[in-house]
Amino acid sequence: NAGVTQTPKFQVLKTGQSMTLQCAQDMNHEYMSWYRQDPGMGLRLIHYSVGAGITDQGEVPNGYNVSRSTTEDFPLRLLSAAPSQTSVYFCASRTEVGNTIYFGEGSWLTVV
Amino acid sequence: AQSVTQLGSHVSVSEGALVLLRCNYSSSVPPYLFWYVQYPNQGLQLLLKYTSAATLVKGINGFEAEFKKSETSFHLTKPSAHMSDAAEYFCAVSSQTGANNLFFGTGTRLTVIP
Repeated sequence: NAGVTQTPKFQVLKTGQSMTLQCAQDMNHEYMSWYRQDPGMGLRLIHYSVGAGITDQGEVPNGYNVSRSTTEDFPLRLLSAAPSQTSVYFCASRTEVGNTIYFGEGSWLTVV
Repeated sequence: AQSVTQLGSHVSVSEGALVLLRCNYSSSVPPYLFWYVQYPNQGLQLLLKYTSAATLVKGINGFEAEFKKSETSFHLTKPSAHMSDAAEYFCAVSSQTGANNLFFGTGTRLTVIP
């Protein structure tokens, strides 16, 4: 049982480059989300999706795009990376309301 | 809107001493409340959750938390700290309606002194 899988685990980007963080889950969860974790700030919600074809913005959506074409996948796109996007990114998923949210292992992104 | 405040970004306890990590929440609707633990360079693991059943919630690794509506608190406790408890702990809140997104506190780093 793979759970929530994120790739890549580590990435270094130059300012202005674009990239996609991949997230896949094999638990048939309808809800998926992306968080970023920064020192002293906890985890902040970037985007979320309550099902295929449905996405919405979280607390800090600027500079990020998402799409949800399948139940399994929820990629996060950085269109033009900035040093302020240096962070650890976590993908998460769950089933019904109130159920446990499962997190991936994280993706460490550095923008230079 | 929901939010949580974790009092104390760093807490140090001696091995065998009581662990108390504080969390206060704000929510305009009945909340779900969670505690997660994060070990260095790893993801988040659920310790316990409150979903409007029993107010005293028992979790993994000997941790428990009590939901106190009158105090809007959900403090995490463990009677006797182990060295392996050293980690960062996050309190989180979500609503019982809507998208139920999790909103996290800023975290408390627990150090256990031998």
